Amino acid sequence: KNEVEQSPQNLTAQEGEFITINCSYSVGISALHWLQQHPGGGIVSLFMLSSGKKKHGRLIATINIQEKHSSLHITASHPRDSAVYICAVGKEGYGGSQGNLIFGKGTKLSVKP
Amino acid sequence: KAGVTQTPRYLIKTRGQQVTLSCSPISGHRSVSWYQQTPGQGLQFLFEYFSETQRNKGNFPGRFSGRQFSNSRSEMNVSTLELGDSALYLCASSASGTGGNTIYFGEGSWLTVV
Repeated sequence: KNEVEQSPQNLTAQEGEFITINCSYSVGISALHWLQQHPGGGIVSLFMLSSGKKKHGRLIATINIQEKHSSLHITASHPRDSAVYICAVGKEGYGGSQGNLIFGKGTKLSVKP
Repeated sequence: KAGVTQTPRYLIKTRGQQVTLSCSPISGHRSVSWYQQTPGQGLQFLFEYFSETQRNKGNFPGRFSGRQFSNSRSEMNVSTLELGDSALYLCASSASGTGGNTIYFGEGSWLTVV
């Protein structure tokens, strides 16, 4: 069983819909990252969380440390949100460093106009 | 400020050859990590450097190595290339790598081994 599980693997939505991507993990963590990867390879860090909730524009990320679960929400989705969204955890004991990040397999999101 | 720069962006190598990839982190960032991304395995951590010292290493064979220079620029080397080494290699930097810092990724180097 993977230490970081994401769901769903693939997601198709209509423009304007509210989208939720889930991430569950089984290890102790110091931080959780949500990443966005567009075709072509480049990855952008959307959020880094160690507790609570963060919001940036139409994106909201939450984490529940007790339940070892995080969600990424996109409100009023747009075709430009189409990308692969990846959850990654920094294992406890690495001081939140990049060391030994564990990645989920990603969620491929396609938003149709 | 300039982002993380990786060179070369694309390269094709023959089995048995070796390859060196370069990464220039964001100015002032001291932590540089390397990752391999393949369709089958997804993203996997290779190693992390901080102030010229390897701080963490992933589960890859010794053919994969790296180093960091005093200006924080980093290189990774893969010797005796195998077909399975074909992948996107990503470099990322962060300010200190401690206490949980935002990670900034480069565009990656696409390596094809034939």
